[in-house]
Amino acid sequence: SYVLTQPPSVSVAPGETARITCGGGNLGSTTVQWYQQRPGQAPVLIIYYDSDRPSGIPERFSGSNSGDMATLTISRVEAGDEADYYCHVWDTSGDHVVFGGGTKLTVL
Amino acid sequence: EVQLVESGGGLVKPGRSLRLSCTGSGFSFGDYAMNWFRQAPGKGLEWVGFIRSNAFGGTVDYAASVKGRFTISRDDSKSIAYLQMSTLKTEDTALYFCSRGGPYYDNNGSPIGGFDYWGQGTLVTVSS
Repeated sequence: SYVLTQPPSVSVAPGETARITCGGGNLGSTTVQWYQQRPGQAPVLIIYYDSDRPSGIPERFSGSNSGDMATLTISRVEAGDEADYYCHVWDTSGDHVVFGGGTKLTVL
Repeated sequence: EVQLVESGGGLVKPGRSLRLSCTGSGFSFGDYAMNWFRQAPGKGLEWVGFIRSNAFGGTVDYAASVKGRFTISRDDSKSIAYLQMSTLKTEDTALYFCSRGGPYYDNNGSPIGGFDYWGQGTLVTVSS
């Protein structure tokens, strides 16, 4: 089955830019979604179709996907961005919904 | 406002069954695929399965880890999706979420573009 690999943790100072990666074989041939999950809360879709933002998601959140890597970029990081972030793809074989293991973003 | 509310969780002994409900409001429930996920304590998200809208036959797909034990169904007249869990194991202990498929689908009614609204989850604890 398809595997998505994320770094367990990323740390960044307020106001800086955070980049969270998601790796998978030939990932650029499919589309990637990203979810934010704050402690004790449900996940929130923040990026779909590699780089589109749902209504209400700040422009500070952006996504890209090419080759074997997708990246979630959070500009001008705020304390409220501290959360777990998960990438997700739809796999046409095996389990259809594949998540990365999640990355904990810590705002220093 | 789109809302999803899960219910039915609780403490259950191994080998027993439990049925979870997901009640939707604020949208045309029958037009969407409905999905179930779970998250074990301190762990990541795991897909459980989903049910397509009746426009696509209301067919279901399951994760390999629950196939044959869990059944997803829907009652669009009540705007409810169900997750029937049987032969529960201790490793099924988790917070169970439902979500709406969206914002886009493939030609088979599969929510390939993600899951745009989630409930707050209901906790299932499987323990003797």
